[in-house]
Amino acid sequence: EAQVTQNPRYLITVTGKKLTVTCSQNMNHEYMSWYRQDPGLGLRQIYYSMNVEVTDKGDVPEGYKVSRKEKRNFPLILESPSPNQTSLYFCASSLSPNNRYMNTEAFFGQGTRLTVV
Amino acid sequence: DAKTTQPNSMESNEEEPVHLPCNHSTISGTDYIHWYRQLPSQGPEYVIHGLTSNVNNRMASLAIAEDRKSSTLILHRATLRDAAVYYCIFSHGGSQGNLIFGKGTKLSVKP
Repeated sequence: EAQVTQNPRYLITVTGKKLTVTCSQNMNHEYMSWYRQDPGLGLRQIYYSMNVEVTDKGDVPEGYKVSRKEKRNFPLILESPSPNQTSLYFCASSLSPNNRYMNTEAFFGQGTRLTVV
Repeated sequence: DAKTTQPNSMESNEEEPVHLPCNHSTISGTDYIHWYRQLPSQGPEYVIHGLTSNVNNRMASLAIAEDRKSSTLILHRATLRDAAVYYCIFSHGGSQGNLIFGKGTKLSVKP
């Protein structure tokens, strides 16, 4: 079954304690990205990756890091989490970016609800 | 910004058709129109996309205005499972490729 898997689904942590949210896809997709969803602000892109070893900032990258060492995995790293990073996080993958010249269905994970206290 | 305008909420009765409108007056000629939905406690889910012609798939139909400044997502027979937030999106060029989600339309389906 085609899917994007995020772990953990729920996480409560304390300010400053480094954490990693994993994301894995089994569709051999080149494009992967991370979004955060907050009430009233909708979904906003944090980071994206066009392919292995290629990553770039999205709209709200501050306080986050990512890596793309393998095609299937795209972990989101919070080196020093703060309470304003409390949010619902989604990983997504697609064959290619959804820009004007190419279009393709994006698959989203089930989400990770992070609380930083 | 790739801005779309949708009603905040809509209601439908089960097994009736639903027409969800979207305005996208700043869309350019090569931007695709995408629709995604988000069921409660789940990630967004692809519904349909199109460029100029009307499109049909197993989930829905997409009717695109001739001037492409608006589109309508059509659910032919709403079910309780269709209750979700529906997002109309288009990608405004560049290689960033992100989907710019607006606030969407919250669809309620009554039995």
